[in-house]
Amino acid sequence: GNSVTQMEGPVTLSEEAFLTINCTYTATGYPSLFWYVQYPGEGLQLLLKATKADDKGSNKGFEATYRKETTSFHLEKGSVQVSDSAVYFCALSSGQDYSGAGSYQLTFGKGTKLSVIP
Amino acid sequence: DTAVSQTPKYLVTQMGNDKSIKCEQNLGHDTMYWYKQDSKKFLKIMFSYNNKELIINETVPNRFSPKSPDKAHLNLHINSLELGDSAVYFCASSQDGLEGWNTEAFFGQGTRLTVV
Repeated sequence: GNSVTQMEGPVTLSEEAFLTINCTYTATGYPSLFWYVQYPGEGLQLLLKATKADDKGSNKGFEATYRKETTSFHLEKGSVQVSDSAVYFCALSSGQDYSGAGSYQLTFGKGTKLSVIP
Repeated sequence: DTAVSQTPKYLVTQMGNDKSIKCEQNLGHDTMYWYKQDSKKFLKIMFSYNNKELIINETVPNRFSPKSPDKAHLNLHINSLELGDSAVYFCASSQDGLEGWNTEAFFGQGTRLTVV
């Protein structure tokens, strides 16, 4: 079955530091990969995605590259801000999950809590 | 406009009670989901549903049942609530299609359920 492994937190960084959150996956077929972010007290929001190998997703200064050879989708940001403090989830969705009902279920990693201090 | 809305945002109830959480999406999506997030932030799919089929995670107790009056709504009904049901429950939706796995899921803001 599909699975996602991401680095455990919490991660605490000073403002303007470089961020990397590692994510690796196991999946059948050719999955799409996502990073979701959950700010305190809120639901999950899509941060970025990549749908095929070597694609780079980017948004709000965050980037992640779909590396099929290493089955990885690491999240990076060059200079974090206090407002980036949140929980980050790596996720995948595979066409092989199709059950005939259009239910492409997202498989999530366990989340990484990021705290950025001034 | 809120894309995926769920109510209530907070729900405190006693053990043994029956409760429902409502979810509505105005995105025209074909598929809706319920996820449970535990105290460690781990997300687990409970159900996915569209107008064709309900997919149930086999680990979900049968005290939990989704009810969909129409395509835009998927409510979660819970019977005989237990302490271990305390968690945050998220509704989500996504668009069906041949390459639906490429599309994102949109999440509601969550319902924090506390069973006392």
